[in-house]
Amino acid sequence: DTGVSQNPRHKITKRGQNVTFRCDPISEHNRLYWYRQTLGQGPEFLTYFQNEAQLEKSRLLSDRFSAERPKGSFSTLEIQRTEQGDSAMYLCASSLPGTPSAGYFGPGTRLTVL
Amino acid sequence: SQQGEEDPQALSIQEGENATMNCSYKTSINNLQWYRQNSGRGLVHLILIRSNEREKHSGRLRVTLDTSKKSSSLLITASRAADTASYFCATGIPTFGRGTSLIVHP
Repeated sequence: DTGVSQNPRHKITKRGQNVTFRCDPISEHNRLYWYRQTLGQGPEFLTYFQNEAQLEKSRLLSDRFSAERPKGSFSTLEIQRTEQGDSAMYLCASSLPGTPSAGYFGPGTRLTVL
Repeated sequence: SQQGEEDPQALSIQEGENATMNCSYKTSINNLQWYRQNSGRGLVHLILIRSNEREKHSGRLRVTLDTSKKSSSLLITASRAADTASYFCATGIPTFGRGTSLIVHP
């Protein structure tokens, strides 16, 4: 399967713990996006990379969230000191320039904070 | 924010009927995209319409764009039970609205 992959698919953690998610985009897709989605809502934009450069970051994103894409391939999203309100599905998407932005989404990582 | 807002929030129809969903947005756009999300296949990109286009077709999907009214519509013709999903419009980065939940009854 050559689609966008995300790991882990599910994560349960206790409040206050740090968690890290990984996204592997489609090969050669230089654009990578992170979104968060809660039940009944649309995906909420978190951040966007073009190659290794983080070009946009939502103002809604607190300092507890950080994302990296060090070699312009896979990306990681870390949440420090998790809170119950962080419980959500975290989605990753990728695309090529000149094609629809966020054209291909991964299956997501479901985070539950107890 | 260039976030779109879909209307209606929920739509229930019988198989074979047409389904129309609307999207309104607030600022000027270069393009507008529609996505579908269901439990089986996750979030899938359906169609992109550019700001200089007024209508676009893809299979049973028809999308219109009226930049003067800052609105778009998605029409699904001859709906099938498999079309049951949430449909989102997105603009800009893209940023998404809350979506329209479509249920197609067999």
